Amino acid sequence: AQKVTQAQTEISVVEKEDVTLDCVYETRDTTYYLFWYKQPPSGELVFLIRRNSFDEQNEISGRYSWNFQKSTSSFNFTITASQVVDSAVYFCALSEESGGSNYKLTFGKGTLLTVNP
Amino acid sequence: GAVVSQHPSWVICKSGTSVKIECRSLDFQATTMFWYRQFPKQSLMLMATSNEGSKATYEQGVEKDKFLINHASLTLSTLTVTSAHPEDSSFYICSARDPLRTGANTGELFFGEGSRLTVL
Repeated sequence: AQKVTQAQTEISVVEKEDVTLDCVYETRDTTYYLFWYKQPPSGELVFLIRRNSFDEQNEISGRYSWNFQKSTSSFNFTITASQVVDSAVYFCALSEESGGSNYKLTFGKGTLLTVNP
Repeated sequence: GAVVSQHPSWVICKSGTSVKIECRSLDFQATTMFWYRQFPKQSLMLMATSNEGSKATYEQGVEKDKFLINHASLTLSTLTVTSAHPEDSSFYICSARDPLRTGANTGELFFGEGSRLTVL
C-alpha cells in the first residue's frame, strides 16, 4: 500500500490564486515525521517544513501554511496568493520511527504546480 | 543549513561504461547517506542507505552489483553505476543527516543538488 498519497498530479492556477496541495499518509507508527519539499526545474530539493506526529499545530510561514490532521492522516499544504516562482513539483514525504536509525524518507509521487501569470 | 554537494551535476556516457557520482557533506559529518533515483516526472525512490565504514543497505529490487556504493569517510559517499545502459539514465540524488544539527530521530535530511545521468 502506498504510504504517501498525493492525489493531485498536476495543478494549474493563475497568479494570486490560493492553492492547496493534498497529502494523505499511512503509517502504523505512533512517532513519525512529515515533510514537504519543493523541487524547482533545476532539480534540487528544497526543504519546506517538518512536522512530528505529536505536534498537530498548524503552521504558517509567509504565504505558506500547513494543515496537519491526524484524524484524517492528512498534511495539506496551502500557498496563498501564488506567484510564478512557486511553479515547481512539490513532494510530501514520511519518515517512520520503525525505520530504525536510518530515517528513510518515503516520498509521494509529487504534485506539479504551474502558476501562470 | 547543512550543505550536501554532488558531483558531477550531469554526465553523459556511452553504454557499457561505468560512472561515478560523488556525494559530499561540506560542513558536517554524515555517518549515513542515502541515494535516491528519480525518473522523469516521477517520485524519488530510495535505492540504498550508505553507512560509513560498512556495506550499504540496498532496497528491494536494486542490484547491488550494478550500483556500487562506497562510504569511505564521514563526508563522502560514492555511487558507481557499472556497465551503464540507457535504462539507467535518471536523476540521482543523495541526502545525508546531520545528527548534531537535527538531533535524534527527527528524520530531517539534507539533499544534494542531484546528478543527471544520460546513457547513450
